[in-house]
Amino acid sequence: EAQVTQNPRYLITVTGKKLTVTCSQNMNHEYMSWYRQDPGLGLRQIYYSMNVEVTDKGDVPEGYKVSRKEKRNFPLILESPSPNQTSLYFCASSSPFRGSYGYTFGSGTRLTVV
Amino acid sequence: AQRVTQPEKLLSVFKGAPVELKCNYSYSGSPELFWYVQYSRQRLQLLLRHISRESIKGFTADLNKGETSFHLKKPFAQEEDSAMYYCALNEDSGAGSYQLTFGKGTKLSVIP
Repeated sequence: EAQVTQNPRYLITVTGKKLTVTCSQNMNHEYMSWYRQDPGLGLRQIYYSMNVEVTDKGDVPEGYKVSRKEKRNFPLILESPSPNQTSLYFCASSSPFRGSYGYTFGSGTRLTVV
Repeated sequence: AQRVTQPEKLLSVFKGAPVELKCNYSYSGSPELFWYVQYSRQRLQLLLRHISRESIKGFTADLNKGETSFHLKKPFAQEEDSAMYYCALNEDSGAGSYQLTFGKGTKLSVIP
């Protein structure tokens, strides 16, 4: 089954404790992206990657890091999480071309930073 | 500048009433537009693409280039249609690569 897999689904952590949220896709998509979703603010893009070793900032990259060492994986790293990073996070992948089927999203990771 | 505008944050309709979720876009090229649906904080799922000209779960959306709109419509709302709906534009981000730009979403609430 074609899918984007995120782990963990839920995470509660303390301020300053480094964490990684994993994202993996099995569709051989070139493009992957991370979003956060907050009430009233919709989806905001954190980082995206057009292909292996190619990453770029989205609209709200501060406090986050990403890497793209393999085509299928695109982890999101919070080096020193803060309470304002409490949010629902989604990973997505696609083929970045016209006529594509758009994005496939993961199930989301609900992060709480206390 | 916001390239995808969904003017309503919240839309409430009665069951059986017609639904129209508005989406306007700003794009100089030939647009590709999508509607995504998110049920109760689950993952976003593709609802329909304008190039497919299909009807999914009774929803349709027609691209109106003159009005730069891609409104989502359903003639008779059902309770199970209650969800967040996002309009998205596939934009050329340079060198032939495309990315989706999302609107801020409209929460549809269908009243029994």
